[in-house]
Amino acid sequence: DTAVSQTPKYLVTQMGNDKSIKCEQNLGHDTMYWYKQDSKKFLKIMFSYNNKELIINETVPNRFSPKSPDKAHLNLHINSLELGDSAVYFCASSQLAGVGKTQYFGPGTRLLVL
Amino acid sequence: AQRVTQPEKLLSVFKGAPVELKCNYSYSGSPELFWYVQYSRQRLQLLLRHISRESIKGFTADLNKGETSFHLKKPFAQEEDSAMYYCALTGYSGGYQKVTFGTGTKLQVIP
Repeated sequence: DTAVSQTPKYLVTQMGNDKSIKCEQNLGHDTMYWYKQDSKKFLKIMFSYNNKELIINETVPNRFSPKSPDKAHLNLHINSLELGDSAVYFCASSQLAGVGKTQYFGPGTRLLVL
Repeated sequence: AQRVTQPEKLLSVFKGAPVELKCNYSYSGSPELFWYVQYSRQRLQLLLRHISRESIKGFTADLNKGETSFHLKKPFAQEEDSAMYYCALTGYSGGYQKVTFGTGTKLQVIP
């Protein structure tokens, strides 16, 4: 069974469009994240949710809006897409309490804005 | 503020040679440190964590609090080790855990 899944895997769209990426985890974790990996492979955290509540919101344009309908899901909606949004977006989850706090990553969504 | 520094963007070694991927951190408390690996066009996955003191795929990493380092080592590199390696630190900010990743080091093992 897939632990952390994302859809779609690939997303090609025009500038100015609005798109969403979905993420689901079946690990029972209470914390979920969105990361952006750019063309230079830099990995940067965007958002972190714990039990459906936003706990970390890094310097991200407000065109990006995460939504967590429940603990197992964290979706990312992007308005008015720009060329610079092209990247791979990774969802991840972890358990806040406990030892280790390993992050489990989804397969990534490759977004290309034309 | 917590920070993770990986000074090398690219590290090329010959097969069979020793490998050391450098990671330095800055954090005021007791950090939890991890190494994640990303093989070509795959998801990131945990390689090892300092708390477990384990060896995975021949890799080891020792937390050196004096030097604030968590370097990743392997005595003999294999071609299948070629990948992106990220050092990560989990600290606490405002009562919640915060994860900071380094910029990554691409390891290229030359046959």
